[in-house]
Amino acid sequence: EDKVVQSPLSLVVHEGDTVTLNCSYEVTNFRSLLWYKQEKKAPTFLFMLTSSGIEKKSGRLSSILDKKELFSILNITATQTGDSAVYLCAEEGTYKYIFGTGTRLKVLA
Amino acid sequence: SQTIHQWPATLVQPVGSPLSLECTVEGTSNPNLYWYRQAAGRGLQLLFYSVGIGQISSEVPQNLSASRPQDRQFILSSKKLLLSDSGFYLCAWSLGRTGGYGGELFFGEGSRLTVL
Repeated sequence: EDKVVQSPLSLVVHEGDTVTLNCSYEVTNFRSLLWYKQEKKAPTFLFMLTSSGIEKKSGRLSSILDKKELFSILNITATQTGDSAVYLCAEEGTYKYIFGTGTRLKVLA
Repeated sequence: SQTIHQWPATLVQPVGSPLSLECTVEGTSNPNLYWYRQAAGRGLQLLFYSVGIGQISSEVPQNLSASRPQDRQFILSSKKLLLSDSGFYLCAWSLGRTGGYGGELFFGEGSRLTVL
């Protein structure tokens, strides 16, 4: 059965800190690994990763995938209070997207 | 551009009452459609997905059902709600490409259901 595990479950940091969020997966017929940010309502898309070792970057956020070890990380540098949210990782298999339980990040001013 | 509409945004229902949540997608054809549920403080649980009209795959046994009467319409239903059905329900779509390479998953705004 496809499975996605995220760690840590929650994290509290101060503004300016760097955080690393982890996502491991077990899936048959892997298609892609996706990261989302969820504040109050619907998740918003951050990254989609399909190839191993290629970093995707958007401002202070970056992510990389390791298809051999079956994991991905999401890095956020110079955190801001606006980064406070739940970060969700999902793997795309054949027609299905399985999500992890998420990492709740709180950034203190 | 593609858009996804989901309604109602919030509803409060008594135990044992029926449920109908609707979702429509505009601006694309033959999308894959999904219903997820999110309990408080939890991740997204896949309930149903559909790769075509009338084709429904169920991921979790429960008292919910889904239907896809038209290409871009997806409906989540229940005949009798349970307390445990409370949660945040999200409809989503991806491209319906051969082999399941859907790419980004796009979400509706969600429906918050409280069963009393």
